[in-house]
Amino acid sequence: DTAVSQTPKYLVTQMGNDKSIKCEQNLGHDTMYWYKQDSKKFLKIMFSYNNKELIINETVPNRFSPKSPDKAHLNLHINSLELGDSAVYFCASSQAYSLAKNIQYFGAGTRLSVL
Amino acid sequence: RKEVEQDPGPFNVPEGATVAFNCTYSNSASQSFFWYRQDCRKEPKLLMSVYSSGNEDGRFTAQLNRASQYISLLIRDSKLSDSATYLCVVNDYKLSFGAGTTVTVRA
Repeated sequence: DTAVSQTPKYLVTQMGNDKSIKCEQNLGHDTMYWYKQDSKKFLKIMFSYNNKELIINETVPNRFSPKSPDKAHLNLHINSLELGDSAVYFCASSQAYSLAKNIQYFGAGTRLSVL
Repeated sequence: RKEVEQDPGPFNVPEGATVAFNCTYSNSASQSFFWYRQDCRKEPKLLMSVYSSGNEDGRFTAQLNRASQYISLLIRDSKLSDSATYLCVVNDYKLSFGAGTTVTVRA
């Protein structure tokens, strides 16, 4: 059983389109995250939700809108896609939002290519 | 100054060799650290936590030097399967990742 699963694995789309990436975790964790890994392999946090509440929002353009319907799911919707959005997007989860319980488990990633 | 800085490498070593590399962090108040491993086109996975007194997990040894604000990872008796990018991570509630150190172990 995959602990953190995200779909789709690959996403190829045209500039200006709107797309969504879904993430689900079956670990019973309270906290979920979205990261972006660009072509230079630098992994940067975008958002974090704890029990469905937004707790981290790292100066991400408002074209990116996360949504957490319950604590096991955190989806990412992207409006008006731009070339610079091309990257690998990773979902992750941790037991809680605390120093002691912040080991994060990652999904396999979604490779987004904007043409 | 970046929050977490790593030597990108690559470190090319023969099987059986020892390889070590460091990572520096900018926040002197940081208390918690990890090493993650990322294989090519895969997700990051936790390799080990880093404890104040240093810790070992099999062939891997992690050290923390608070005075100089760096952590290190040493891999003994390298295996081909150790080839990966090693990500230094500072845990200040949110995780701050270094850009990674690439290690290639050759036969």
